[in-house]
Amino acid sequence: EVQLVESGGGLVQPGGALRLSCAASGSTFRNFWMHWVRQPPGKGLVWVSHINNDGSETTYADSVRGRFTISRDNAKNTVYLQMNSLRAEDTAVYYCARSVGGFDSWGQGTLVTVSS
Amino acid sequence: DIVMTQSPDSLAVSLGERATINCKSSQSVVFGSSNRDHISWYQQKPGQPPKLLIYWASTRGSGVPDRFSGSGSGTDFTLTISSLQAEDVAVYYCQQFCSSPYTFGQGTKLEIK
Repeated sequence: EVQLVESGGGLVQPGGALRLSCAASGSTFRNFWMHWVRQPPGKGLVWVSHINNDGSETTYADSVRGRFTISRDNAKNTVYLQMNSLRAEDTAVYYCARSVGGFDSWGQGTLVTVSS
Repeated sequence: DIVMTQSPDSLAVSLGERATINCKSSQSVVFGSSNRDHISWYQQKPGQPPKLLIYWASTRGSGVPDRFSGSGSGTDFTLTISSLQAEDVAVYYCQQFCSSPYTFGQGTKLEIK
């Protein structure tokens, strides 16, 4: 099983930007799709974005399309989420996850708070 | 987008009894020619990330106890815990992994009666 560690969260003002990183252990990172999923405080899970194994395909939730960009560096075993034009409603714990059938490995999450 | 609707929103079951959570998708979740229903179930305990329980509607994830089972096809799916244990108190989510956006249900909170 892969280990996933997110970083890059924090407090940012509305309209600001953050880049989240998710570092994966293991040499098979390049074989799998990766996702970002978020969870607003006290609420349910919301899928945000996915990237395929070689980075040639990405998709986004409507709520973030045009503001967020997912990317990956297979040489560094890392997936990223660049978040621009942040809004209060983007406040959440952000998880990265690997998909094999289902989302079989998750990080511990990183908290993003958008507030003035 | 495929909408996933779980029922009930919350559930209280006695220890040792059966717990059943339902999930309905707004359209088929069979992916391409795979003939598999791309439905997953997750368990989330407070302060923890979700844990995969079931994928492809009925395949248990690695290390998942066999008291957890998934069933259903088409647009109606069920997660069953055959004999509730204290450690099963959690929020449970279904998710479709058929077409993007890969939507989750709203969650079902399971408690001990």
